[in-house]
Amino acid sequence: QKEVEQDPGPLSVPEGAIVSLNCTYSNSAFQYFMWYRQYSRKGPELLMYTYSSGNKEDGRFTAQVDKSSKYISLFIRDSQPSDSATYLCAMRPSGGGNKLTFGTGTQLKVEL
Amino acid sequence: DAGVTQSPTHLIKTRGQQVTLRCSPKSGHDTVSWYQQALGQGPQFIFQYYEEEERQRGNFPDRFSGHQFPNYSSELNVNALLLGDSALYLCASSSQSTGGGYGYTFGSGTRLTVV
Repeated sequence: QKEVEQDPGPLSVPEGAIVSLNCTYSNSAFQYFMWYRQYSRKGPELLMYTYSSGNKEDGRFTAQVDKSSKYISLFIRDSQPSDSATYLCAMRPSGGGNKLTFGTGTQLKVEL
Repeated sequence: DAGVTQSPTHLIKTRGQQVTLRCSPKSGHDTVSWYQQALGQGPQFIFQYYEEEERQRGNFPDRFSGHQFPNYSSELNVNALLLGDSALYLCASSSQSTGGGYGYTFGSGTRLTVV
């Protein structure tokens, strides 16, 4: 079993839709949670990060962490064609270096 | 402000050969991490360098080695290439003063194809 599970998609939605992306994890030591966006032929770009449980909002993006369920989510409101990319969740424990454990990524396509 | 620069962008090698990939970190960053991203997968941590020493290593064989130079740039070397080493190799830089994986800036990667 992988430490981090993520539905690979692909996920196709119409422009303006609310998108929900999710990851589950098994390592209870994970404390820092991140969402990265990766466009084709590019490196991952940090979108959101949260520490421990709770919600964080930044513009059209909201990240949620539920440590009791070992479940994290990223919501995208008013999705745009420019949001079409692969979204990667990543996480790490609070000590022991900066190694990130990534999910497999969800491919999102926002259509006009 | 230049971000993370990786070279070359693409590379084709034959099984059994050796390869060296290069990374220049973002200005102000002193720590370099390397990740391997196979097609359709998330990045997998290879190792991290700080102060010219390997500080942390993922589950990769000794065929994977690295180096960090005094100017913080880094090299990833892979010996005895296997077909399964074909992947996108990502370099990520960060600053020890900010810490945390959320301080990473990724480069665009080197696409390695082993034939």
